[in-house]
Amino acid sequence: AQSVSQHNHHVILSEAASLELGCNYSYGGTVNLFWYVQYPGQHLQLLLKYFSGDPLVKGIKGFEAEFIKSKFSFNLRKPSVQWSDTAEYFCAVRYSSASKIIFGSGTRLSIRP
Amino acid sequence: DTAVSQTPKYLVTQMGNDKSIKCEQNLGHDTMYWYKQDSKKFLKIMFSYNNKELIINETVPNRFSPKSPDKAHLNLHINSLELGDSAVYFCASTGAGNTEAFFGQGTRLTVV
Repeated sequence: AQSVSQHNHHVILSEAASLELGCNYSYGGTVNLFWYVQYPGQHLQLLLKYFSGDPLVKGIKGFEAEFIKSKFSFNLRKPSVQWSDTAEYFCAVRYSSASKIIFGSGTRLSIRP
Repeated sequence: DTAVSQTPKYLVTQMGNDKSIKCEQNLGHDTMYWYKQDSKKFLKIMFSYNNKELIINETVPNRFSPKSPDKAHLNLHINSLELGDSAVYFCASTGAGNTEAFFGQGTRLTVV
């Protein structure tokens, strides 16, 4: 079945720490990959996306993600987090065989000031 | 200009009532979705319409009925509301080809 897994349910970091959030998707052919962020009480906003080409994708607010096809992974990274990065982060995938975007269960990121 | 707009933003209602949530997008997208986000933040797709045609209908109680009068609008009507329907409902849209989904602000539905 087509699915997305996010390994970390809740991550707590101090400001300036580095961040890596895991995301794996099940095999299903060609995929588009996304990371969305949801700040408290707000809607989902796109952080970055991968469709093709360079597997290292840079997004907004200093975030980046690397698509590793052999591992079916699309991990999100940020070298130095800020308190304002406190939010829920969702990995998502769209398989070329389907029109819907499937979301992972989300990772809550808490940053200690 | 809001790209995807939903109304109302908050909805508090009693069990057994019927309610509707409206969604409009001004992006010229062909495909619109309804997602349900539960209290644990899990996002689950409910329905998708492409050019007014239903293309995705996940396992959702038939008390939920989407309606798309045109490709810019996708409304969600819910009959006989139950406590378990309390959630945040997000509308989203995507364009043709490889595009990301654009989300509305969400409608927080509370059934009491």
